[in-house]
Amino acid sequence: GAGVSQSPSNKVTEKGKDVELRCDPISGHTALYWYRQSLGQGLEFLIYFQGNSAPDKSGLPSDRFSAERTGGSVSTLTIQRTQQEDSAVYLCASRGDSYNSPLHFGNGTRLTVT
Amino acid sequence: AQKVTQAQTEISVVEKEDVTLDCVYETRDTTYYLFWYKQPPSGELVFLIRRNSFDEQNEISGRYSWNFQKSTSSFNFTITASQVVDSAVYFCALSEDPAGNTPLVFGKGTRLSVIA
Repeated sequence: GAGVSQSPSNKVTEKGKDVELRCDPISGHTALYWYRQSLGQGLEFLIYFQGNSAPDKSGLPSDRFSAERTGGSVSTLTIQRTQQEDSAVYLCASRGDSYNSPLHFGNGTRLTVT
Repeated sequence: AQKVTQAQTEISVVEKEDVTLDCVYETRDTTYYLFWYKQPPSGELVFLIRRNSFDEQNEISGRYSWNFQKSTSSFNFTITASQVVDSAVYFCALSEDPAGNTPLVFGKGTRLSVIA
């Protein structure tokens, strides 16, 4: 596609429920990142996938958060037993293989936990 | 540890005014890269510029200019003759590598409102 696509654009869920957020990176991009943007905060790194390498999960805030990337393309971020503090905009970004390729971000998924 | 500070939370200017967005960073790396991203109301972050730590030349792109000063660990962004379309949240970020393979460390952003 023309850009990084994320779905849904908005998600409202009840506390304790599980949610799945989807990211379709730009075709051919091997690197994929998830960031979280909380109100009034900067972007917080969550997880990074690069090709077939083991993902860098160092930014995941708790074991309720997990992500996978199937076939080196689409990625799903799963939050189990959601809490109100999980409310944020979740941004996905992808990058091409060129050494100087910048990150391309999607429009994000706004998650609201009630 | 790396850190990016954008002290200005919100700025409002009248159209055609010049405005400078401040960015101060901290890192122990000798090689690093600084970025600016724009986040318009649509939410998508748009890449604006990347500078490496070895190149302190100022850069100008149309109405945008960047002033990188290692002596003060700053990478400030100036918009000349601001326009309403410049209204957005602007993020400064830092990384150890040019493509952001190591996660970008972002500042909290500066919300710029340009009033007609």
